[in-house]
Amino acid sequence: SSELTQDPAVSVAVGQTVRITCQGDSLRSYFATWYQQKPGQAPVVVIYGENDRPSGIPDRFSGSTSGDSTASLTIIGAQAEDEADYYCNSRDSSGNVMFGGGAKVTVL
Amino acid sequence: QLQLQESGPGLVKPSETLSLTCTVSGDSISSTYYYWGWIRQPPGKGLEWIGNIFYSGSAYYNSALKSRVTLSIDKSKNQFSLKLNSVTTADTAVYYCARLEMSYIGSRIDPWGQGILVTVSS
Repeated sequence: SSELTQDPAVSVAVGQTVRITCQGDSLRSYFATWYQQKPGQAPVVVIYGENDRPSGIPDRFSGSTSGDSTASLTIIGAQAEDEADYYCNSRDSSGNVMFGGGAKVTVL
Repeated sequence: QLQLQESGPGLVKPSETLSLTCTVSGDSISSTYYYWGWIRQPPGKGLEWIGNIFYSGSAYYNSALKSRVTLSIDKSKNQFSLKLNSVTTADTAVYYCARLEMSYIGSRIDPWGQGILVTVSS
């Protein structure tokens, strides 16, 4: 299967922890890359590889993989500016690229 | 600093061909490591991968769009292009061009262009 599944919405109180999951068969072979997208802006990478953050991304963002086919993005100590849509992305062995449906994170 | 910029018509009529160009600055499109690709996002919806092209011209396409999509690359202009034919209103979206890293780790899409809204309407 070339699909990635995300829960569509999640909320978190300021300062608390939120986990966003992404499930798909491709994650048995490849890591997920996570993107943050704010309204009117292009997506930005927040996590790639096993758990790497591009420069400028706060260390409250972390990634992990559990089981055979589930990736997670965790925000520890969520801030108001973390309110955004988050997408996971991966690939398959044929060179296809896929995205999860996105998760809207609301920071209360 | 690598930057990508989409250009093309913002309005296309149904059944016609959508044509967009992405101009790359700050790096050569002839990289032997990166792919160059297109992703779209219908208003209020999620991201959809359209396809990637390598400097050699070899390309990968989303199977759902493959019959209507052609990607090309112009190394002399440091540009790559998208053509999507027989468009319908369902093709209305913000179209992003981006650089893609495809490796044994996974795929990483970075950076992205700012995006261009293309509306399909008569």
